[in-house]
Amino acid sequence: EIVLTQSPDFQSVTPKEKVTITCRASQSIGSSLHWYQQKPDQSPKLLVRFASQSFSGVPSRFSGSGSGTDFTLTINSLEAEDVATYYCHQSSSLPWTFGQGTKVEIK
Amino acid sequence: QVQLVESGGGVVQPGRSLRLSCAASGFTFSSSGMHWVRQAPGKGLEWVAFIWYDGTNEYYAESVKGRFTISRDNSKNTLYVQMNSLRAEDTAVYYCARGYESSGFDAFDIWGQGTMVTVSS
Repeated sequence: EIVLTQSPDFQSVTPKEKVTITCRASQSIGSSLHWYQQKPDQSPKLLVRFASQSFSGVPSRFSGSGSGTDFTLTINSLEAEDVATYYCHQSSSLPWTFGQGTKVEIK
Repeated sequence: QVQLVESGGGVVQPGRSLRLSCAASGFTFSSSGMHWVRQAPGKGLEWVAFIWYDGTNEYYAESVKGRFTISRDNSKNTLYVQMNSLRAEDTAVYYCARGYESSGFDAFDIWGQGTMVTVSS
């Protein structure tokens, strides 16, 4: 099973600050890494497919990068509505797995 | 409007069974691979099961293999999961989600609102 480890677990950020979340895979997964946003009491929403493809309707301040084992989700200029937990997910091999999540709060 | 709506959750005793449903609308359900994903209270996301668009293939997480069965009725645009021999550790919100690509080896692009399953005596 491929283990995804996100860092940090928690981040407190001032508005308009840049946020960087990393996801490291226990083995190479190519670009089969996706990012989701889950706001409190809501279901997850897809942000980025295959490491760097922004999903339809996602604000341009969200972007992804990386390949192999190291991936990054960047939020340029954090807004109050971005308070959420962010998860990475690999679809390279079964069982499909998620990272443990990174909670982003406003300072 | 693209939508997935889960139902069937509730409180069930350990060892008993429960069937969840997920009604799809606004997209071509019969061409879509479908997943169940769960989230225990205060915890992260865990993939549970996947079924191909035509129902010919299924995959399961080890934690539910042999106890859960995923199925679908394309004539009713509905996804199911039959959960048997339920355990306390199955307590979670259960989401159905669509696979962006029908094989499952892709992101989950549409999610339902979830249905809560509590396993407790």
